[in-house]
Amino acid sequence: TQLLEQSPQFLSIQEGENLTVYCNSSSVFSSLQWYRQEPGEGPVLLVTVVTGGEVKKLKRLTFQFGDARKDSSLHITAAQPGDTGLYLCAGAGSSNTGKLIFGQGTTLQVKP
Amino acid sequence: GAGVSQTPSNKVTEKGKYVELRCDPISGHTALYWYRQSLGQGPEFLIYFQGTGAADDSGLPNDRFFAVRPEGSVSTLKIQRTERGDSAVYLCASTTRGGRDTGELFFGEGSRLTVL
Repeated sequence: TQLLEQSPQFLSIQEGENLTVYCNSSSVFSSLQWYRQEPGEGPVLLVTVVTGGEVKKLKRLTFQFGDARKDSSLHITAAQPGDTGLYLCAGAGSSNTGKLIFGQGTTLQVKP
Repeated sequence: GAGVSQTPSNKVTEKGKYVELRCDPISGHTALYWYRQSLGQGPEFLIYFQGTGAADDSGLPNDRFFAVRPEGSVSTLKIQRTERGDSAVYLCASTTRGGRDTGELFFGEGSRLTVL
């Protein structure tokens, strides 16, 4: 069974601080996605990483896929209150159906 | 709007009742997924449709759950004899292509089901 473990589960920081969220597994994933979800809404895709060691940047967000494609991290620089939300990592499962295996999520609160 | 539409947004029912949750995907998206999200958890895969057929229903928890997509567009998730443990947000997502090379998933806002 493929599982993704996210840490930390909860994070409360002040505006301007940096943070890193981790997503780990013992399984290899062909690709990994990061989503952000706000209360009452569905997840929205932030990025997809495919190649081991790949680094992608989206403004103040930096995403990295581990060399062995078993883990990933999301780093936010100078967090802002607008970054508040639930961050989810999701790996493409071993089947050919495109179903995603989600981590349990990291709830981020950025205080002004 | 042009996004994935789910109805109802909220459904409260009593234990043992039957419920239907509807998903209207983005026009032209052939692939449709249902996920279930319990409080404090990430979404959990239920079923995947490619066109009218269920290509993968391995995530359905038991035979009380069933889903259809008769015309390859709107899908309905049906839950019989609801139990309190079925309470969750049911998310629908669609994309232009499914399978191994799945494109970006577009999620609806979900249907929150509460079983009393």
